[in-house]
Amino acid sequence: DTGVSQDPRHKITKRGQNVTFRCDPISEHNRLYWYRQTLGQGPEFLTYFQNEAQLEKSRLLSDRFSAERPKGSFSTLEIQRTEQGDSAMYLCASSLAGSYYEQYFGPGTRLTVT
Amino acid sequence: QKEVEQDPGPLSVPEGAIVSLNCTYSNSAFQYFMWYRQYSRKGPELLMYTYSSGNKEDGRFTAQVDKSSKYISLFIRDSQPSDSATYLCATAGTSGSRLTFGEGTQLTVNP
Repeated sequence: DTGVSQDPRHKITKRGQNVTFRCDPISEHNRLYWYRQTLGQGPEFLTYFQNEAQLEKSRLLSDRFSAERPKGSFSTLEIQRTEQGDSAMYLCASSLAGSYYEQYFGPGTRLTVT
Repeated sequence: QKEVEQDPGPLSVPEGAIVSLNCTYSNSAFQYFMWYRQYSRKGPELLMYTYSSGNKEDGRFTAQVDKSSKYISLFIRDSQPSDSATYLCATAGTSGSRLTFGEGTQLTVNP
């Protein structure tokens, strides 16, 4: 069990550029979640997958955001036409479906939009 | 109104003190209650979870849930400087997937 990993750890981009983040969950976990955390706040849910199916999306996930989990293993989160308000920590978590309340988080990708 | 409210602190205590961290929530559908610890610029680390009302103990940490008052607590005994972090409470319903977090309480334990 190597834990949840995320790449990159830090990303600085200019407004209007597209960025993509990757998450590798704990290998036996079939659920994968994306959250966003801004300074001084708790994580906010964005979306989650069970295997390759995206089952829920938050209203926070605007149409500039897209997430995929093509083979039910790793996931990518893409933000198109980034805005300064997208600057945040993007966290990935994984769990087993039967114990969805036990979510294990990765180290996060810190995005700065200049 | 936020579904989960948590006093952001900061909270500063001397080493060895008993720390009490608290949250309130508004949604009666929440059945699972979690506490996470987050060090600066790191991802949250799951400390423990509780189902419904009651107490759960793990080493120096005790979690309490009172569903009648919608109140969640985490107690840390014999606090250590290494406990200095932000503590996040989180909730989930029985049919849920997402966790709903409080904003976190920043704790500093002074040697």
